Amino acid sequence: QKEVEQNSGPLSVPEGAIASLNCTYSDRVSQSFFWYRQYSGKSPELIMSIYSNGDKEDGRFTAQLNKASQYVSLLIRDSQPSDSATYLCAVRGGSQGNLIFGKGTKLSVKP
Amino acid sequence: EPEVTQTPSHQVTQMGQEVILRCVPISNHLYFYWYRQILGQKVEFLVSFYNNEISEKSEIFDDQFSVERPDGSNFTLKIRSTKLEDSAMYFCASSGTPGLSGYTFGSGTRLTVV
Repeated sequence: QKEVEQNSGPLSVPEGAIASLNCTYSDRVSQSFFWYRQYSGKSPELIMSIYSNGDKEDGRFTAQLNKASQYVSLLIRDSQPSDSATYLCAVRGGSQGNLIFGKGTKLSVKP
Repeated sequence: EPEVTQTPSHQVTQMGQEVILRCVPISNHLYFYWYRQILGQKVEFLVSFYNNEISEKSEIFDDQFSVERPDGSNFTLKIRSTKLEDSAMYFCASSGTPGLSGYTFGSGTRLTVV
């Protein structure tokens, strides 16, 4: 059974701080990794995708991948109250690209 | 920006009734998916659809469920004889190149079975 694990939180950070979100996955051959943001009652919204070991930056977001450790993380710099949401880590699980999601980490950014 | 459109946004149905959830994927996407999310739980894969047939399905997607692409734009999920435990948000998603790009999710249909 392929699993994606995340700390459910809540993770609380002050406005302007760096928020660090972590995810581990069980399937060693996984190749594609995604971070989604989900506001309460809304659908997942893609923030970042990452496929190679190392860091990938997009604006205030940095995704980090370490395949040897089966670990993916998301850093959010200069956190804003509007970043308060649940962040979902997802790993491509099947040959047709279906995603396996973690339970998500709830982030709260305090003004 | 292209969107995946889902209707209805909320559906209430009686236990044992059939429901059809509708989705219009992004027009140039070829891969279509249904996911569900029971309140407070994680997003779960139901089924993927490519080239007018099911390409992969999860254990959740049993004989109660079916999918169809009745025309060139719509993609539907049918749930026969709904159960209380089918109450969830159902998300449709589409992708041009699965695994190489993220999926675009629709806004979801909240299904409530009473």
